[in-house]
Amino acid sequence: GENVEQHPSTLSVQEGDSAVIKCTYSDSASNYFPWYKQELGKGPQLIIDIRSNVGEKKDQRIAVTLNKTAKHFSLHITETQPEDSAVYFCAASYGSSNTGKLIFGQGTTLQVKP
Amino acid sequence: DAGVIQSPRHEVTEMGQEVTLRCKPISGHDYLFWYRQTMMRGLELLIYFNNNVPIDDSGMPEDRFSAKMPNASFSTLKIQPSEPRDSAVYFCASSHPLQTEAFFGQGTRLTVV
Repeated sequence: GENVEQHPSTLSVQEGDSAVIKCTYSDSASNYFPWYKQELGKGPQLIIDIRSNVGEKKDQRIAVTLNKTAKHFSLHITETQPEDSAVYFCAASYGSSNTGKLIFGQGTTLQVKP
Repeated sequence: DAGVIQSPRHEVTEMGQEVTLRCKPISGHDYLFWYRQTMMRGLELLIYFNNNVPIDDSGMPEDRFSAKMPNASFSTLKIQPSEPRDSAVYFCASSHPLQTEAFFGQGTRLTVV
């Protein structure tokens, strides 16, 4: 079945450094790839997303890259700050459906040390 | 809009009891999803609805789980009877038909003892 693998499971960086989280997906029909940030006691919140017709997207300190041929995508956070500490999930759409139905990676716990 | 609203936020119940989780999606969102989050399995899609109709319930773990959406503004996830292995955080999410972003509620932390 469809699957999304996410690495690393934990990541610790110093404030100001960059953080990179990588995901691979199995369904070549997937065309939507969001990233969610989950803070303690809260639900996941979308921080950035990318569609299959785009190779890269940037929003301030956050960027996402997509390689459809290799079926992998990555989240890049530059100039990390302590408030970036959270669990980050990548996800891929089930096929090309536009329903919001997603397969999630296992999550990466990011710790930014001041 | 207040976002997706779930209740209760926390639920502790004894094994064998019936548990009902509630969700109010964002107004105008035609899709509603129920997810379960555990350390072992991460975020799993249990079931989703389109225009109040269940579309895919293949993620529902057992017959003890059931979900309904009687109208566009309300959905329930019921577990009867509950078991300790059902302990998890249950999230409800909704999305608009013209957008793919899924908005999540705050979740219900269920503990079955």
